[in-house]
Amino acid sequence: DTEVTQTPKHLVMGMTNKKSLKCEQHMGHRAMYWYKQKAKKPPELMFVYSYEKLSINESVPSRFSPECPNSSLLNLHLHALQPEDSALYLCASSFPLALQETQYFGPGTRLLVL
Amino acid sequence: GQNIDQPTEMTATEGAIVQINCTYQTSGFNGLFWYQQHAGEAPTFLSYNVLDGLEEKGRFSSFLSRSKGYSYLLLKELQMKDSASYLCAVRSNSGYALNFGKGTSLLVTP
Repeated sequence: DTEVTQTPKHLVMGMTNKKSLKCEQHMGHRAMYWYKQKAKKPPELMFVYSYEKLSINESVPSRFSPECPNSSLLNLHLHALQPEDSALYLCASSFPLALQETQYFGPGTRLLVL
Repeated sequence: GQNIDQPTEMTATEGAIVQINCTYQTSGFNGLFWYQQHAGEAPTFLSYNVLDGLEEKGRFSSFLSRSKGYSYLLLKELQMKDSASYLCAVRSNSGYALNFGKGTSLLVTP
């Protein structure tokens, strides 16, 4: 099973809303990632969790708040977003520091901020 | 920092062979990945190179030269479903985060 699942698939929210994106994997991976991808651009790393601890925050605005409740789950809490935050949000997971350590991506949540 | 370059667009004919190049300049190197991404979908893993040479996987092969900072992805017997964006990604020594190139949009025509 090399599946990473993400919910919801699509999300429309206003700038005053609070919403959460969810990501789940059952491959025993201990590193999980959030990426943001705008149309026709590559994924940009936002956050990395390793063994449930935040290890990388790529200077992401505080209106994005990650959470890793356990080794299988990763959330991204959204609050007071801006229209320019509209994008595809991708979750990925991997075995940290393994020899090959391939990152497997979920299908993404397509977010539209109005 | 990291600088990863790949062509923006390529077009090839069904049944043909196409080579997508990627050059990189990084402060460290701990592996190069190729991903395929269809429009509106997640990237899917294609190949991984960390040592020099060619890795073959069915219709897809990937080559790496660390001294030249160069990789290519070779797609043989092209099919229409191979029309997608192909992303080159490098992992530096400083951790396991991937840095992606801008991607090459491949169009396969009949």
